[in-house]
Amino acid sequence: AQSVAQPEDQVNVAEGNPLTVKCTYSVSGNPYLFWYVQYPNRGLQFLLKYITGDNLVKGSYGFEAEFNKSQTSFHLKKPSALVSDSALYFCAVRDLNQAGTALIFGKGTTLSVSS
Amino acid sequence: GAVVSQHPSWVICKSGTSVKIECRSLDFQATTMFWYRQFPKQSLMLMATSNEGSKATYEQGVEKDKFLINHASLTLSTLTVTSAHPEDSSFYICSARLQGLNEKLFFGSGTQLSVL
Repeated sequence: AQSVAQPEDQVNVAEGNPLTVKCTYSVSGNPYLFWYVQYPNRGLQFLLKYITGDNLVKGSYGFEAEFNKSQTSFHLKKPSALVSDSALYFCAVRDLNQAGTALIFGKGTTLSVSS
Repeated sequence: GAVVSQHPSWVICKSGTSVKIECRSLDFQATTMFWYRQFPKQSLMLMATSNEGSKATYEQGVEKDKFLINHASLTLSTLTVTSAHPEDSSFYICSARLQGLNEKLFFGSGTQLSVL
């Protein structure tokens, strides 16, 4: 069975500091990994994804994520946080070899960036 | 880019009534759409997978008679919450799958359902 763990309910950082939102996953085959951001009462916005290739994936709004197969992790990072980055972030996974299946989401991590 | 339109964005209804939520892929054909439910401060839980022209596949614990899903065309899937009760109040989000070598999933903006 596929699963995603986001161990932190909330991450607090000061504006200008680097941020990391953690994610670990479990799939039986090769992972297809995503990060989404959700603003209050809104749908999900795609940030980035990993399928194959370079372990460091760059996405929207200056975010990036690093795929680590040995640690089964896909942590979201940004070198310098902005107050406007404050939102709810979801990591998601599906088995790359199971085409057409839905994404399985982590519980979400609330990012709070203070000025 | 591809857009998924979800309507309505919010709805308030009386207990016992039914509510229909629409999910449309505006500029692509989506053979598969997914419906998720989100409780406050919790993750998105997959409710069902909707395939065009066939019956939806429901996740364990989701009542198919309560949450009716219809995917009659390649651009439209609907979720009907029948005989809604206050415990059905939630945020519902649909997702449409764009097939291809670079498969993508696009999400609607969500529907906040409040049942009084």
